[in-house]
Amino acid sequence: EIVLTQSPGTLSLSPGERATLSCRASQSVSSSYLAWYQQKPGQAPRLLIYGASRRANGIPDRFSGSGSGTDFTLTIRRLEPEDFAVYYCQQYDSSPPLTFGGGTKVEIK
Amino acid sequence: QVQLVQSGAEVKKPGSSVKVSCKASGGTFSSFVISWVRQPPGQGLEWMGGIIPIFGTTNYAQRFQGRVTITADESRNTAYMELSSLRSEDTAVYYCATRFCASVACRERYWYLDLWGRGTLVTVSS
Repeated sequence: EIVLTQSPGTLSLSPGERATLSCRASQSVSSSYLAWYQQKPGQAPRLLIYGASRRANGIPDRFSGSGSGTDFTLTIRRLEPEDFAVYYCQQYDSSPPLTFGGGTKVEIK
Repeated sequence: QVQLVQSGAEVKKPGSSVKVSCKASGGTFSSFVISWVRQPPGQGLEWMGGIIPIFGTTNYAQRFQGRVTITADESRNTAYMELSSLRSEDTAVYYCATRFCASVACRERYWYLDLWGRGTLVTVSS
């Protein structure tokens, strides 16, 4: 089972700033089968990125994903007020099982 | 427009079982590989297991083996997740989710999840 470790646990930033979130895998995620989700309180997760770097339908281009192997990054270029949420990475290479990271909360500074 | 419609909130006693349903509205059920993901209050996401209808196979996360059963009724376009021997730690929101895709390749394995139900809150309390 691939274990995903996200860092930092919490990121305190101001609107307009750049957010950089990390997701590290315990073994290589081949074919870049890694996804990122955003979750707001009381809502289901929303897919942002799949294939490590492909934006899902309707996702603004301020969200970008990068990385390969064991190290992946989600970057939010300029934080908008609606971007303050919890973000999860998920691998679907070695599945089942699907595995998720523990999440990074992006909060308003 | 395809939606995953889940059953309503449940309150259960410790030691009992709960069965949550997930109906694919607006699509053909056999097209979807369904995953069940849970989220305890204030915690992260955890994949419990899933079902691949075209193969008729189910897969379970190791920590839920023996306690969870995932089934599907294609005539009703509905998947079910039953969790037994409930304890307070099972209090969580339970989601069904899938990758919505027309390709045959999408139906043969687990992928990312771009279509989610709204979640079902299961509360376990004496």
